Amino acid sequence: DGGITQSPKYLFRKEGQNVTLSCEQNLNHDAMYWYRQDPGQGLRLIYYSQIVNDFQKGDIAEGYSVSREKKESFPLTVTSAQKNPTAFYLCASSIDPTTGARQFFGPGTRLTVL
Amino acid sequence: KQEVTQIPAALSVPEGENLVLNCSFTDSAIYNLQWFRQDPGKGLTSLLLIQSSQREQTSGRLNASLDKSSGRSTLYIAASQPGDSATYLCAVKVTGNQFYFGTGTSLTVIP
Repeated sequence: DGGITQSPKYLFRKEGQNVTLSCEQNLNHDAMYWYRQDPGQGLRLIYYSQIVNDFQKGDIAEGYSVSREKKESFPLTVTSAQKNPTAFYLCASSIDPTTGARQFFGPGTRLTVL
Repeated sequence: KQEVTQIPAALSVPEGENLVLNCSFTDSAIYNLQWFRQDPGKGLTSLLLIQSSQREQTSGRLNASLDKSSGRSTLYIAASQPGDSATYLCAVKVTGNQFYFGTGTSLTVIP
């Protein structure tokens, strides 16, 4: 089956800890994205990557970091510098970042800070 | 900066009714507009994609229209079913490879 997988589904973090959320796609898509979703707000872009070894900050990148060492993988690290990390995190991909290509989403990871 | 608004925030209709969801955006310079469905605690499922040069797209009981000049899109759902209950989001793609999302309309179809 082709698609996007995210793990874990639920993640609990103590304050001061860094955590890494996994995102893998086997769609052979060039572009990958990380969004954050909070109740009553639209999805907000954290980071995106158009090709391997390249990524750009989105609107709310502070306190987050990413890497894109492989085409199929785009992990997101939530650092201790992120002041309010409790949210639902969604990973997405699209085949060509420069055209009007459709976005496909993973099932999401719910992060809770204890 | 592009702003996307969806009205109403919530909608409840009896089964079988036809309904329209609205999406508006502030900057008409878009590549495309996409409608998604999101079930509680799940990711987004793409429903329809309208390119900036298109006026509408149809898939089954769904029809989406786009009026770039007025900054509006509508999603029409015909003969609604309880399985249509979900949150519907619209998103516009702009230059710089950015997508901007609305806050969604939560739809409940009552059997």
